[in-house]
Amino acid sequence: DIQLTQSPSFLSASVGDRVTITCRASQGISNYLAWYQQKPGKAPTLLIYAASTLQSGVPSRFSGSGSGTEFSLTISSLQPEDFATYYCHQLNSFPRTFGQGTKVEIK
Amino acid sequence: EVQLVESGGGLAQPGGSLRLSCIASGFPLSSHAMNWVRQAPGKGLEWVSYISTSGDLIYYADSVKGRFTISRDDAKNSLYLQVNSLRADDTAVYYCARGLYIYAYSPWGQGTLVTVSS
Repeated sequence: DIQLTQSPSFLSASVGDRVTITCRASQGISNYLAWYQQKPGKAPTLLIYAASTLQSGVPSRFSGSGSGTEFSLTISSLQPEDFATYYCHQLNSFPRTFGQGTKVEIK
Repeated sequence: EVQLVESGGGLAQPGGSLRLSCIASGFPLSSHAMNWVRQAPGKGLEWVSYISTSGDLIYYADSVKGRFTISRDDAKNSLYLQVNSLRADDTAVYYCARGLYIYAYSPWGQGTLVTVSS
């Protein structure tokens, strides 16, 4: 099984900060990686797919990069509505796996 | 509006069964692979099962293999998850999610809570 390790697991930041979350895969997954945002009590929503493609309707302050085993999600200027938990997700092979999550909280 | 709505969750005893349903609207279910993902209280996301557009390819997480069965009825625009031999560690919110090409899941339903307890 492919393991995804996100870092950090917890992040404290201020509105306007640039934030980067990384996701490392235990083996190469090409660009079969997605990023989701989840707010408390809500379902996850898709931010980025194919490692770097912004989902329709998602603000351009979100961006993704990487290929192979190293990936990152960047929020260029953190907004109040961005405080949430973020998950990476590999779709290269079965079983599909998710990272453990990164909780972004207000400093 | 593209939407997924789950139902069928509830309280079940250890060893019991439930049938979870997911009704799609705003798009033809037949055009998409579908998935179930669960989230235990306070925990992260765990992929549970996948079914291809034709239903001929099905995969399960090892943790549910032999106990859960995924199925689809495209005529009813519905996805199902039969969950048997329930254990306490199956307690979770169960989400259905549409496959977006092969690159992601979107959208997700609002989830249905399964609680396994005596």
